[in-house]
Parts: sequence; structure tokens; C-alpha cells
Amino acid sequence: EAGVVQSPRYKIIEKKQPVAFWCNPISGHNTLYWYRQNLGQGPELLIRYENEEAVDDSQLPKDRFSAERLKGVDSTLKIQPAELGDSAVYLCASSPGPGTSYEQYFGPGTRLTVT
Amino acid sequence: AQSVAQPEDQVNVAEGNPLTVKCTYSVSGNPYLFWYVQYPNRGLQFLLKYITGDNLVKGSYGFEAEFNKSQTSFHLKKPSALVSDSALYFCAVSSAGSYIPTFGRGTSLIVHP
Repeated sequence: EAGVVQSPRYKIIEKKQPVAFWCNPISGHNTLYWYRQNLGQGPELLIRYENEEAVDDSQLPKDRFSAERLKGVDSTLKIQPAELGDSAVYLCASSPGPGTSYEQYFGPGTRLTVT
Repeated sequence: AQSVAQPEDQVNVAEGNPLTVKCTYSVSGNPYLFWYVQYPNRGLQFLLKYITGDNLVKGSYGFEAEFNKSQTSFHLKKPSALVSDSALYFCAVSSAGSYIPTFGRGTSLIVHP
């Protein structure tokens, strides 16, 4: 079974530029999460999707961050414009969905460096 | 609000010795507890969870954890450490029925040959 796929793995951009990250969850997983992991910290939730619906986006900085999961499968997270403080690893995770197991399956992450 | 404390930034242990990585939590109601491991340049990998039932849960790679409600702890243990266990370990908690976990800061486990 293929795991969670993320691309790109690394991205270096200048501040004020836009950037986008892509995630393809495990087949059949209805729940998709985007996390940000700063150096020396645990992951912090940005947004959670149940199918195509964003059900928890309270931690997403909506002035510059946006996300979509149009067909309830893969998802894109965008930052526009990027700031120096956005440098972090962006992790995508998936799980089967409500009423099933609670553990999450993580992708390898995208390491973003903003210069 | 829910929170997790991993009091040790780093744990050092000799290969073959038992290891313990500590985790305490705070949550309203019953907790769901998880341990994940992260290898360099990799995403987090699920090790084990406590949802309900037996307080001692067993997981992947010989790891186990004990849920202690009175001490609000969920320490990760392994009877005999391997060099390949060296990694970053994260404890996470969510309230029962919630799909939003809060992660600790992580503990770096270093197993010396």
C-alpha cells in the first residue's frame, strides 16, 4: 500500500513569493490533515478535511494561507505571500475517517526555507 | 485545552538496556494517547495508541506504553534498546472522540552501541 505522498520535498523561496505544497493521501482515507512543524517542536495542526470539507481550520492564518481538497482526495496548501517566519516543515497526514481508528499516517513533509 | 509534556529533550541509553521516554498529559475527559517516531527527513510514524481497555499497550518494534490515569502519564518503554531505535519520539493526546491531537515537543532517543 502506498503511503502519503508529498511534493516537493524541499523548497527555497524569497520572502513575499508564493509557494504551494501538494499532498496525496492513502487511498480510501477520508480525513486529511496539514501540519506545520517548526524546528525542535511537535507538529501543529493547520487544517483538517473530512472528504472535501474543511472541518477545522481555526489555526490556519487565513490572511496568507489557503488550502483546498476539491475532489476529496489530494490537497494543496498555499502560502501567499511567504514570510521569513513561515520557514518550517509542512506535513500532510491522513486517516481512514470518523468511526474508525484515530492514528494518523504522515507523509515525509516539505521543508520550506524562506530567505 | 489539551497539552502534552515531554520533560526530557534527550534520552541516552546503552544498547541492550531498557529504555523509557516520558510523557504526561492534560485533557478534559478521557484521553486518547499516541506515540509516534520520526526518523531524519521522514514523516512521523505511528507506534502505538491507548484508546480504552488494558492500561499496557503494545506497539510496533517491541515498544510498549503504560497508561496511568492517576499520574496522567503515558510513558514509552522497551525492554532492550537497539541502536536503530535512535530517533525522535513524539507523544500526542486528544480528548475522547476527537480527531485533533496535540503533540509534545519530542524527545531525542540516542542508543549507544
